[in-house]
Order: sequence, then structure tokens, then C-alpha cells
Amino acid sequence: KAGVTQTPRYLIKTRGQQVTLSCSPISGHRSVSWYQQTPGQGLQFLFEYFSETQRNKGNFPGRFSGRQFSNSRSEMNVSTLELGDSALYLCASSLSGAAEETQYFGPGTRLLVL
Amino acid sequence: AQSVTQLDSQVPVFEEAPVELRCNYSSSVSVYLFWYVQYPNQGLQLLLKYLSGSTLVKGINGFEAEFNKSQTSFHLRKPSVHISDTAEYFCAVRLGRAQKLVFGQGTRLTINP
Repeated sequence: KAGVTQTPRYLIKTRGQQVTLSCSPISGHRSVSWYQQTPGQGLQFLFEYFSETQRNKGNFPGRFSGRQFSNSRSEMNVSTLELGDSALYLCASSLSGAAEETQYFGPGTRLLVL
Repeated sequence: AQSVTQLDSQVPVFEEAPVELRCNYSSSVSVYLFWYVQYPNQGLQLLLKYLSGSTLVKGINGFEAEFNKSQTSFHLRKPSVHISDTAEYFCAVRLGRAQKLVFGQGTRLTINP
């Protein structure tokens, strides 16, 4: 089975722009979660989607949004980019999002905001 | 709110020496506990997890961890490390039924020949 894939792998944007990141979960997985990883704040939960509905949300401003499609693929969008949004964005998938399930992570998208 | 503390930000060890990476969590309810490894320029890979049952959990690549409820700890151990174990290690908890993982700050393991 193919693992979690994320596109693009690297991205450079300027302040004020917006960006969309894509995540394709493992085949059959319906829960997709997003995390932000920075040297200062570490790994922080952004949100989780299941069956096209956002089920959980972390403490991020409204500039961060996401969606999930009927094939379980997910996108996250960041509007009005700030320098502090530079980070590695990781996507993780699991079968149904149950707490005991393993989350499988993709390689991440590294975003640099100039 | 639950939190996770990894007591060492960096751990240098010699090849073939044993290693312990420490993790403490704070939660008043049952938690599920995980250790993930991140190699350079890669995502996270699960090493092992504790859900219930035996407090000693064995994972991949020769790693194991022990859940200690009274000390709220979940330390990761390996009896003999290899150069290939050089990576960053993250302890994480999941509270109750929530899907969200709460991560520690990570421990960078450096293996010296």
C-alpha cells in the first residue's frame, strides 16, 4: 500500500499571499489530521477531518482552514501568510480516527514565507 | 489540559551503548501513549504505542518502552544503539477518544562511533 503523500514537498511564498497544501491518505483511511512543526513551538495539532467534516480543531487563527473531499483527500489553506507560518506541515491519516489507532504521517510540506 | 515533557532535548551516546529517552505526561484521565521517530527530512514513523495491558511495550528497531502510571512516565529504551538510530524522537499522548496527538518537544539522539 502506498503511504501518505503530500504535495508539494517544498514551497516558497511571500507575506500576504495564500497557500494550499494537499494530502492523500493511505487507501481506505478516512481520517486525516494536520500538524504544524516549527523549531520554537514543536509539533502542534491544526485540525482533523473525517467524512468531509472537521471533527477537531487546534488553537490556530482562522487564517488556517482545511477541507476533505469524498475520496478522503484533504487540503489545508493558509491565507494572508505571515513570516511565522514558515514550518513543516505534516499530514497524518488513520482508518476511522479512533483514539487507539495509529496515525501514519506523510513526509510533510516545507513552507518558507519570505 | 494534558502536556508532555521530554526531559532531555539532546542525548549523545556511543555506538552499541544503551540509551533511555525520558518522557513524562500530565493527565488526570486515561491516555494512550506513543513514541515516534523522525529522520532528517522525513515525516514521523511510529516506534511503539501503549493502549492498555502489559506496561512493557516492544516496538520496531529493537526499541521498548515502559508505562509507569504512578510516575506518569513512558520512557523509551534500547539496549544497544546503532549509527542508524540517529534521529529525533517524539513522545506523544492522546487523551480519551480524541484523535489529536499532543507531542513533547522532542529529543535529538546522536550516536557517536
